Amino acid sequence: GAVVSQHPSRVICKSGTSVKIECRSLDFQATTMFWYRQFPKQSLMLMATSNEGSKATYEQGVEKDKFLINHASLTLSTLTVTSAHPEDSSFYICSAQTSGIQETQYFGPGTRLLVL
Amino acid sequence: EDKVVQSPLSLVVHEGDTVTLNCSYEVTNFRSLLWYKQEKKAPTFLFMLTSSGIEKKSGRLSSILDKKELFSILNITATQTGDSAVYLCAVEAWASGTYKYIFGTGTRLKVLA
Repeated sequence: GAVVSQHPSRVICKSGTSVKIECRSLDFQATTMFWYRQFPKQSLMLMATSNEGSKATYEQGVEKDKFLINHASLTLSTLTVTSAHPEDSSFYICSAQTSGIQETQYFGPGTRLLVL
Repeated sequence: EDKVVQSPLSLVVHEGDTVTLNCSYEVTNFRSLLWYKQEKKAPTFLFMLTSSGIEKKSGRLSSILDKKELFSILNITATQTGDSAVYLCAVEAWASGTYKYIFGTGTRLKVLA
């Protein structure tokens, strides 16, 4: 079945640094990818919708200059957390959507970010 | 290879029907199993299951986990059109010093009036 990977699986960084997280669809092309952030009690918040070849669509309240999204190819989207702060520490999950009559989202395994 | 399989892939029922959604898994270092309801935006968290045989209930929804047979079911009784959604099952597992999620592809439920 379709597989989505994320890299790295875990990252620890100092406050003020930038961190890049990759999301790849390994065996299908995804014109649309989504980035989520996990909050307490397992809830997931949609941060942005990433469209290949165009600008990402950010959800209300998500700073686009802080969370840079690039969807340079049909199999890769990247999320860069710029000038990370401890409050950005979280679990980030991406998903990739197939196209066609019935769209299906395939989720990545997530990336744990800890900002010290 | 870790995997989560949901069945059926899609389901169409009428209001008032009861449905059972299945989730089976093969995962190393199991931590928990989660159910989500996805309508438009982000998946909405429903249940988190860690122990076998203990039913979790929320209104018309209930879920139970069998860690011996490696599956979980999500029951919805007296379905309503508002229950129409994709229901996702995800297993949380430990790997390389952190945890990861393995999601199923979801069951697409449509409830007709």
